[in-house]
Amino acid sequence: GAVVSQHPSWVICKSGTSVKIECRSLDFQATTMFWYRQFPKQSLMLMATSNEGSKATYEQGVEKDKFLINHASLTLSTLTVTSAHPEDSSFYICSARDPEYNEQFFGPGTRLTVL
Amino acid sequence: GQNIDQPTEMTATEGAIVQINCTYQTSGFNGLFWYQQHAGEAPTFLSYNVLDGLEEKGRFSSFLSRSKGYSYLLLKELQMKDSASYLCAVRGPNAGNNRKLIWGLGTSLAVNP
Repeated sequence: GAVVSQHPSWVICKSGTSVKIECRSLDFQATTMFWYRQFPKQSLMLMATSNEGSKATYEQGVEKDKFLINHASLTLSTLTVTSAHPEDSSFYICSARDPEYNEQFFGPGTRLTVL
Repeated sequence: GQNIDQPTEMTATEGAIVQINCTYQTSGFNGLFWYQQHAGEAPTFLSYNVLDGLEEKGRFSSFLSRSKGYSYLLLKELQMKDSASYLCAVRGPNAGNNRKLIWGLGTSLAVNP
C-alpha cells in the first residue's frame, strides 16, 4: 500500500502562535488530500479537502481563515493553524488516496497541544 | 441526509468471534470501508466492499448488502491486540479523486482474556 507521512508528530505551542503541519505522500502522487481532526474518544471529523493547484474545500463550520491549507505539489499539503488557542488542541490527521487503490491512506497524525 | 450508525461499544472474549454492524443512509454510494484505529494512532485500512457479498481477509471478513444499506465486520479468533476502535465509512458520490468518506462514530471493541 501507499505511504503517507506527517510532520511533526507532536507539537506544543503557546496560545496565539501559528503551527504548520505537513502531509506528504511518499510513493505516489496525490491530487487530493484530506485533513481530519479528532478529539479524544470521538470519531474523525473531516475539516477540509485539499486540492493540488486550487483552493481547499472546507466542511461546514470550519474556519478557512484559521485553518489555512496549501497543496503546493502533488506530494505535499500543509495545514497551518493560525493564532492557535487551547480549544484547537487535538489530533490532526491527513489522508490521501492513491489512484491505484480504493482506500485512503492515513498519515500517523499530529498531536497539537496549545498552552 | 447522510447517516452512518454503528454500536458505540462492544466487549468480547479472547479467541471468540465478534460481529460489528454498520447501517448507512447516504445520498450516493461508491464503496464501504472498515478501518481499525488504536488509541492515539491513525486509522489503518481493513477492508473495502463495493459489491454485495462477503470479502474475507485472514481473520477479518466484511459483508455488504447495498439494498439494505448494511455491512458488518467479522473478527475471528480474537486477540488482545484487536482491542481498538473500528470505523465504518462510506465513500460519497463525488466524481474522481475528490470522493470524501462519510464516517461513522466508531465502535470501541474491548477484548478480554
